[in-house]
Order: sequence, then structure tokens, then C-alpha cells
Amino acid sequence: QVQLEESGPGLVKPSETLSLTCTVSGGSLTNYYWSWIRQPPGKGLEWMGYIYYSGRTSYNPSLESRVTMSVDTSKNQFSLKVKSVAAADTAVYYCARAGEKWLVSPLAHWGQGILVTVSS
Amino acid sequence: QSVLTQPPSATGTPGQRVTISCSGSSSNIGSNVVNWYQQLPGTAPKLLIYSTNQRPSGVPDRFSGSKSGTSASLAISGLQSEDEADYYCAAWDDSLNGLFVFGSGTKVTVL
Repeated sequence: QVQLEESGPGLVKPSETLSLTCTVSGGSLTNYYWSWIRQPPGKGLEWMGYIYYSGRTSYNPSLESRVTMSVDTSKNQFSLKVKSVAAADTAVYYCARAGEKWLVSPLAHWGQGILVTVSS
Repeated sequence: QSVLTQPPSATGTPGQRVTISCSGSSSNIGSNVVNWYQQLPGTAPKLLIYSTNQRPSGVPDRFSGSKSGTSASLAISGLQSEDEADYYCAAWDDSLNGLFVFGSGTKVTVL
């Protein structure tokens, strides 16, 4: 059974860059779409974007100017960077795996999430 | 503001049937499959329904999904106390390069 685990700093200063990594175990990155989703405290879910194992990306237009996703198949990891963060970026960040076909395959496997607080 | 609109709350007693609606548009629910997620307090979302009406292995058949036009619904029959959670619909949106959108979420309370 594939498992995902987010890691990274739990506290980031305003205007700095948030960096998170998702480590995948029990399966390969190959042929799958990998997403980041975030959830501000007490609020709903926001899809941030996906990265295919080949490195192809698609970002939520609302975040596109600040978000970068990358993949490292040798380490079975993919990463998220959000630049110029503000308090509104405080959220639980989840990584998740979809299937082999975007537009059809659901986000079926999720990490447990990591709380990132933006504060000085 | 979410692209997919859900009622903020729904309430039922044990054994009752509860239905949650999810309203979208022709570019998302109207032309793509719908997924539903259950989020228990303090935990990550869990896939409950995929491809509009399919249940992953292990999901009780008390949960069912449907779609009509630009709206979708999740029904919980035989409501149980452990069903108290937040529920989110989700779909792809054709308007912007395969954007994935979540509903605003519905808190289900079991009295």
C-alpha cells in the first residue's frame, strides 16, 4: 500500500519561501500524478497543483505566480515551494496521489498533512 | 469562494438518510466525474466516492453518489455516529487546463 509523508519547516517568516517535501513509500512515482492540497485552519480544501512523474506541471491559477513543484524519482520524492508567503498561506499542507490519467483518476492516497504557520 | 457550492451543514439522527448537494457548472460537474471525500476531525481527507458513483474498497454501501446535469449528491443512509465529519465534493474543471476544484464542504452532525 502506497504511503505518503510530508516534511519541512512548521514555521516560515512572512515574505520568505515555504518548502515542503513529500516522500512516497510502498510504490513508485512513475506513471502517476502527484498533487499538493492545502487547508487553512477551520476552512476548506484548496488544490494547489499537480506534477507528473515526468516533471510536467499544472498549477492552480490563483497560486501559479508563487508556486513551483518538482520531482526527484531517484529519491521517490516530490516537492513544493511557495514564495513570498503571507499569513494567508498558513495551512495544513497535504500531498496526495492520483492515478495514471488526470481528469479521471481521483486523489486516492493522501499524506497525514503538515501544519505550516507563517509568522515572524 | 469555492467553484462548487455545498450547504455548510447537514444534520440527522442515527438510522436516518442524509443527502448533501454539490452545485457546479457545465465546465466541471456538467462535463466531468465527481469525487467525494470524508474528513474526520484532525485527519486527512479520505476518498469516499469516485467517478460519481463508485465506492473504493472498504467504503460501506451506506454511502452513494449521483449526478444530474451540473449538480451532484452524496447520500448517507442508515446514518451512524462515526459518520460525523466534513464532506467535500470535487471535480475537474475544463475551463482552465484541467484545474481540480473542491466544494466548500458540508459538516454532517449526528444528533
